[in-house]
Amino acid sequence: GAGVSQSPSNKVTEKGKDVELRCDPISGHTALYWYRQSLGQGLEFLIYFQGNSAPDKSGLPSDRFSAERTGGSVSTLTIQRTQQEDSAVYLCASSPRAYGYTFGSGTRLTVV
Amino acid sequence: AQSVTQLGSHVSVSEGALVLLRCNYSSSVPPYLFWYVQYPNQGLQLLLKYTTGATLVKGINGFEAEFKKSETSFHLTKPSAHMSDAAEYFCAVSDRTGTASKLTFGTGTRLQVTL
Repeated sequence: GAGVSQSPSNKVTEKGKDVELRCDPISGHTALYWYRQSLGQGLEFLIYFQGNSAPDKSGLPSDRFSAERTGGSVSTLTIQRTQQEDSAVYLCASSPRAYGYTFGSGTRLTVV
Repeated sequence: AQSVTQLGSHVSVSEGALVLLRCNYSSSVPPYLFWYVQYPNQGLQLLLKYTTGATLVKGINGFEAEFKKSETSFHLTKPSAHMSDAAEYFCAVSDRTGTASKLTFGTGTRLQVTL
């Protein structure tokens, strides 16, 4: 597609439920990133995928968070047993090479 | 380890006035530096970046920033603010390792433009 697509754009879930957030990067972009944006906290790095290399998971805040990237394209971020502190905007970005990020519009997650 | 400090979470300027958004960074290696803008309910859009070469970089919408190594700064400026510049601005730093590197962001500065 023309840009990075994220779905859903908004998600409200009950505490304790699992959620899946999807990112469809720009075709041909080998690098894919997930960030979390909390109110007043700026952007927090979560995970990134680069080609066939092992992902850098160093930013995942707990083992309730996981992500996959299938076929070098679409990525899914999964949050298990959601907590209220997981409420945030989850942003995905992709890049064809170094330092050319394109961000999606994000998924706003609200845990009630 | 890298970090970014943006001084002032909120900045208000009059339309036509100079915009100055401050960013200081900490990096153990020569950094790459970025400014992003985020309009309400949208993702982040790259304004400009410094990688190598000229330390004064020009970006979109009339913005520019100057990399000052001695001051570890990368302040964003625009000579004359426009109402459409109202948004949140993020400074970010990455290192030069690997072919694609994660960014470390500042906490953002919300720019308000008044008549």
